[in-house]
Amino acid sequence: SQTIHQWPATLVQPVGSPLSLECTVEGTSNPNLYWYRQAAGRGLQLLFYSVGIGQISSEVPQNLSASRPQDRQFILSSKKLLLSDSGFYLCAGISGSSYNEQFFGPGTRLTVL
Amino acid sequence: AQSVTQPDIHITVSEGASLELRCNYSYGATPYLFWYVQSPGQGLQLLLKYFSGDTLVQGIKGFEAEFKRSQSSFNLRKPSVHWSDAAEYFCAVGAVTGGFKTIFGAGTRLFVKA
Repeated sequence: SQTIHQWPATLVQPVGSPLSLECTVEGTSNPNLYWYRQAAGRGLQLLFYSVGIGQISSEVPQNLSASRPQDRQFILSSKKLLLSDSGFYLCAGISGSSYNEQFFGPGTRLTVL
Repeated sequence: AQSVTQPDIHITVSEGASLELRCNYSYGATPYLFWYVQSPGQGLQLLLKYFSGDTLVQGIKGFEAEFKRSQSSFNLRKPSVHWSDAAEYFCAVGAVTGGFKTIFGAGTRLFVKA
């Protein structure tokens, strides 16, 4: 079965510092991959999705960027964090048929101070 | 554009009582519909999904959902709630627009009282 690993689980960063969150996938190849942000008390906001290596689609303008250097690796980055970047970041994937349900990683709790 | 509305931000039910969480969607074609559950500080787990066929879908943990095209709804139900069901529940619709994406509702927080 598919598994998504995310690290770190929690992160506290100062405003203006860089960010790199990593997501890796096991148990499937060529998945569609997604980054979501979940702010406190709010739903999931789709940030980026990728259908393959080097292919990134951005859903909302923001201070973040994403990259997919390998088939099973998806990275979320920022050059300078803002207070508003705080939140719970979830990596998710879809494998096989395009209409399968998403499988999620455990998430990273980011606090920007 | 695709969207999902969960009108109840939070719901409180007594343990053993029945539960219904509401979900309405907007999508121009036949929808792919999902319900996910999220325990505090965790990722999301799929409860059930609807792609086609029987409009009453059975899921894990005793949950079921009914797709009603005329009402654009996909409400989640459980006949008897357990304290361990306290969590946040998300309704979602799958959209095929240049790649498959899942659009989530804002979620409903379920509280269970003894």
